[in-house]
Amino acid sequence: GQNIDQPTEMTATEGAIVQINCTYQTSGFNGLFWYQQHAGEAPTFLSYNVLDGLEEKGRFSSFLSRSKGYSYLLLKELQMKDSASYLCAVRDSRGSTLGRLYFGRGTQLTVWP
Amino acid sequence: SQTIHQWPATLVQPVGSPLSLECTVEGTSNPNLYWYRQAAGRGLQLLFYSVGIGQISSEVPQNLSASRPQDRQFILSSKKLLLSDSGFYLCAWSKGINTEAFFGQGTRLTVV
Repeated sequence: GQNIDQPTEMTATEGAIVQINCTYQTSGFNGLFWYQQHAGEAPTFLSYNVLDGLEEKGRFSSFLSRSKGYSYLLLKELQMKDSASYLCAVRDSRGSTLGRLYFGRGTQLTVWP
Repeated sequence: SQTIHQWPATLVQPVGSPLSLECTVEGTSNPNLYWYRQAAGRGLQLLFYSVGIGQISSEVPQNLSASRPQDRQFILSSKKLLLSDSGFYLCAWSKGINTEAFFGQGTRLTVV
């Protein structure tokens, strides 16, 4: 099965940097995704890692270590609008469940002025 | 460009009534399709996953079912709703088995 863990809540101040961690234990792995979800809205895609290392996309970066089952999402120059839930998701690679996308419970980030 | 449509946006249904939520994708062919449920304050739970017409796998046993009558149409159904079926239902699609998924706007279902 899939076991995806991330902190429930985090807080930070405007202009700061925050790192949201995600650890996973899966029988098969075919990529890790980060999504942003504002209250009452659908999740929107932020980043994708399938190989080890850092992927940078503007103020957001995501890191993956497959051997450690670990990823983080780094948000720089925080803005009030970054207050949202951040979801870590893992795609399965096993034959019977190939392609399925499983989500963690999400980390609720609150940005204070 | 590809778009995903999901309706209705909100729904209030009595216990024991049937349910039908529809999701369609435009601008692509043979998408992988997903149904998720998100209970209040909880994560996204994968309910159903489809890789093609008539090919649907159920992730969690429950009183819900899914069908894919056409390539880009995915329907979530129930014959008799339970109170515990309340939640935010999200349809999503992806092009392949190793690409990101894109979500519809969701249906907020309240069973009363």
